[in-house]
Amino acid sequence: GNSVTQMEGPVTLSEEAFLTINCTYTATGYPSLFWYVQYPGEGLQLLLKATKADDKGSNKGFEATYRKETTSFHLEKGSVQVSDSAVYFCAGGDNFNKFYFGSGTKLNVKP
Amino acid sequence: DAGVIQSPRHEVTEMGQEVTLRCKPISGHNSLFWYRQTMMRGLELLIYFNNNVPIDDSGMPEDRFSAKMPNASFSTLKIQPSEPRDSAVYFCASSHMAGTGGREQFFGPGTRLTVL
Repeated sequence: GNSVTQMEGPVTLSEEAFLTINCTYTATGYPSLFWYVQYPGEGLQLLLKATKADDKGSNKGFEATYRKETTSFHLEKGSVQVSDSAVYFCAGGDNFNKFYFGSGTKLNVKP
Repeated sequence: DAGVIQSPRHEVTEMGQEVTLRCKPISGHNSLFWYRQTMMRGLELLIYFNNNVPIDDSGMPEDRFSAKMPNASFSTLKIQPSEPRDSAVYFCASSHMAGTGGREQFFGPGTRLTVL
């Protein structure tokens, strides 16, 4: 079945460090791919998305590129801030709108 | 837009009691999803509806769980009887299903359920 695997956390970085959170997918066909962010006590918020191969999603300094050849959608940010501390979820969506989420990666950014 | 609305935000109940969680999706959205989030199991899809019809309820853990969507603007998730292991945060999400490819889901703030 369809699934997403993302790196386990927590990931601890100093402010202004470079961030990469790995995500790979297994799917029949070509899913849409998403990154969501969850701040403490809140629901998930869409961070960025890509709907086809080679698409790059970007938002708030975060980027991820849909790589069909490596079935990956890694999340990157060049310079993290303390306010980026949250849990990040990679997800795939099939043609029937059903999503499959990764297990989440907690990011801690220290000043 | 008000976003996805869930109520109550917090629920504390005793084992054996009936619990009803409510969700109002974003107006115009025709897909609705119920998720459960715990530290041990992460985010789990319980059930989802397209155009008010349940499509996949394979994630509903037991017969104690039931969900309804009587119209496009309202859904309930009911647990009867509740047990301590049902303690979790329950999220409702909605999206607009159109064409091919998954459309982003918009999540509500969640209901934190504690069963004593």
